[in-house]
Amino acid sequence: GQSLEQPSEVTAVEGAIVQINCTYQTSGFYGLSWYQQHDGGAPTFLSYNALDGLEETGRFSSFLSRSDSYGYLLLQELQMKDSASYFCAVRDPSGSGNTGKLIFGQGTTLQVKP
Amino acid sequence: EAQVTQNPRYLITVTGKKLTVTCSQNMNHEYMSWYRQDPGLGLRQIYYSMNVEVTDKGDVPEGYKVSRKEKRNFPLILESPSPNQTSLYFCASNGRGGTEAFFGQGTRLTVV
Repeated sequence: GQSLEQPSEVTAVEGAIVQINCTYQTSGFYGLSWYQQHDGGAPTFLSYNALDGLEETGRFSSFLSRSDSYGYLLLQELQMKDSASYFCAVRDPSGSGNTGKLIFGQGTTLQVKP
Repeated sequence: EAQVTQNPRYLITVTGKKLTVTCSQNMNHEYMSWYRQDPGLGLRQIYYSMNVEVTDKGDVPEGYKVSRKEKRNFPLILESPSPNQTSLYFCASNGRGGTEAFFGQGTRLTVV
């Protein structure tokens, strides 16, 4: 089966840097995505990594190491509005990753304190 | 604007009364899916569809039905709702091989 592991909760202070880790076990791998979800809202796409290395989008960066089956989301200059849940996701490996199906981690709740 | 539209946003119903939650996308995506979200359990997939007339069970399909008669629409049907189906539901779509899933606004369902 396919599985993803994330910490359930992370707490940090405003202005700090926080890293949310995700390890995955899949029979095939076609990229790691990250989604943000504010309380009561819909998940929204943040980033995607298909190759090893760091992808930067403003204050958010995402990193992937395929050899370690590991990735992380890095949030810099934390703001109160970053308090949300963050999900990592992989493409289901069946059909060479082209079925469209995504497999989500359980999510990490980030609490940003003043 | 690319979007996935779910209706209704909020619904309170009684046990056993059939209901349908609609989902529509305007991006011509092949893949659509339904998730339920409960505290501490993340997003659990109920059903998914890889194209018109092609649907399959996700992780928690019991008590739900779906249909995909047109590419843009993917309704979720609860034939006989029960209180354990009280949850927050999301519809999502993405293209095959696509890296980004688009989610609807969510439907908060309460079954009493």
